[in-house]
Amino acid sequence: NAGVTQTPKFQVLKTGQSMTLQCAQDMNHEYMSWYRQDPGMGLRLIHYSVGAGITDQGEVPNGYNVSRSTTEDFPLRLLSAAPSQTSVYFCASSRLPGAHTIEQFFGPGTRLTVL
Amino acid sequence: GIQVEQSPPDLILQEGANSTLRCNFSDSVNNLQWFHQNPWGQLINLFYIPSGTKQNGRLSATTVATERYSLLYISSSQTTDSGVYFCAVSASGGSYIPTFGRGTSLIVHP
Repeated sequence: NAGVTQTPKFQVLKTGQSMTLQCAQDMNHEYMSWYRQDPGMGLRLIHYSVGAGITDQGEVPNGYNVSRSTTEDFPLRLLSAAPSQTSVYFCASSRLPGAHTIEQFFGPGTRLTVL
Repeated sequence: GIQVEQSPPDLILQEGANSTLRCNFSDSVNNLQWFHQNPWGQLINLFYIPSGTKQNGRLSATTVATERYSLLYISSSQTTDSGVYFCAVSASGGSYIPTFGRGTSLIVHP
């Protein structure tokens, strides 16, 4: 199993550009989520999904869109990048409550810089 | 929502020392995990431990769910143990979305 994969590892954007961060998992997990990590701020939830076709907002959703067309993939779209979106982005996945374990697994992260 | 507090916020050790990291939470939980974020930024699963005790090499963890805390023990610390240790919990009967503590930053000197 590859676990949770993210692409790209690094990205530099100019203000106003758009891009999509890719996330995929091969563990058949229902729950997937995106976090951003900024110095001194810990991990903050951007968006999450409990299954294909179902998404919801987390703590800091503004400026980001998500969709979940398959169980495996959960892309994060930056619509018009701003310097405040410079951060490290992590994707995570797990089973839902009721499963034997709801242990969460993280991808390796994408380091994004917006100039 | 559930509150998670980790202590100490910072810890500096000499190689070979032992340490205990603590995670307090404000409600009963059905999920508790410890993660290690290494200096390269990777988040590594250490333990999935909503209750009880587990050991993995030099690391062990204990969660006392009735008293709402978990402890992570690091014995004979090594420089590779450096990084940030996060505790994440999900409240029983509440939102299953994990809440993260702010982490304990550990530096191990050779």
